[in-house]
Amino acid sequence: AAGVIQSPRHLIKEKRETATLKCYPIPRHDTVYWYQQGPGQDPQFLISFYEKMQSDKGSIPDRFSAQQFSDYHSELNMSSLELGDSALYFCASSFGQGKAEQYFGPGTRLTVT
Amino acid sequence: AQTVTQSQPEMSVQEAETVTLSCTYDTSENNYYLFWYKQPPSRQMILVIRQEAYKQQNATENRFSVNFQKAAKSFSLKISDSQLGDTAMYFCAFMNPRGGGSNYKLTFGKGTLLTVNP
Repeated sequence: AAGVIQSPRHLIKEKRETATLKCYPIPRHDTVYWYQQGPGQDPQFLISFYEKMQSDKGSIPDRFSAQQFSDYHSELNMSSLELGDSALYFCASSFGQGKAEQYFGPGTRLTVT
Repeated sequence: AQTVTQSQPEMSVQEAETVTLSCTYDTSENNYYLFWYKQPPSRQMILVIRQEAYKQQNATENRFSVNFQKAAKSFSLKISDSQLGDTAMYFCAFMNPRGGGSNYKLTFGKGTLLTVNP
């Protein structure tokens, strides 16, 4: 069965640079969620989209922005990167907002040096 | 705001034995979902089992089952016949699927690191 695809899987950036993370949900899934997992931490919700509209926002810095496109893929844009942004970034998808379980992608490991 | 508490940072079990991971949560909602996710060393988040709060029957998925006590706000995971591949971090998670706003996100506990020993 098709799963959530995230790219790139690993990313190394320097402070103050910009990064773009991409997420391709499971086919027919219309809702995308982004989570950030710091070292030794539980995943923290950043933002979600339902039918290409932002549906919820968590503890996402103003330096980050995201959107969902017409083909339902989503991108998380991160600017002015800081050392503290180093983390594993997960995208999850579901079919129907809040109606079903979320399936996670393999994550993008971002390292800021 | 909902909170999820996993009071056991680490646990270990012998292969083929049974182990129970604890989770408690705090919410004023009546309808919600509870989940257990497994995160092995690969760091992939894998859905193990889910429970709808309106269902009294405890969910079961092969060797994995839950003990859902709604009044006590308790949601424990039992793993039977533990296997080496069960070694992972286990996260308990809460979701309120109604009301819009910030209610569709998953709120995770801090996790329990389970080690299955041969």
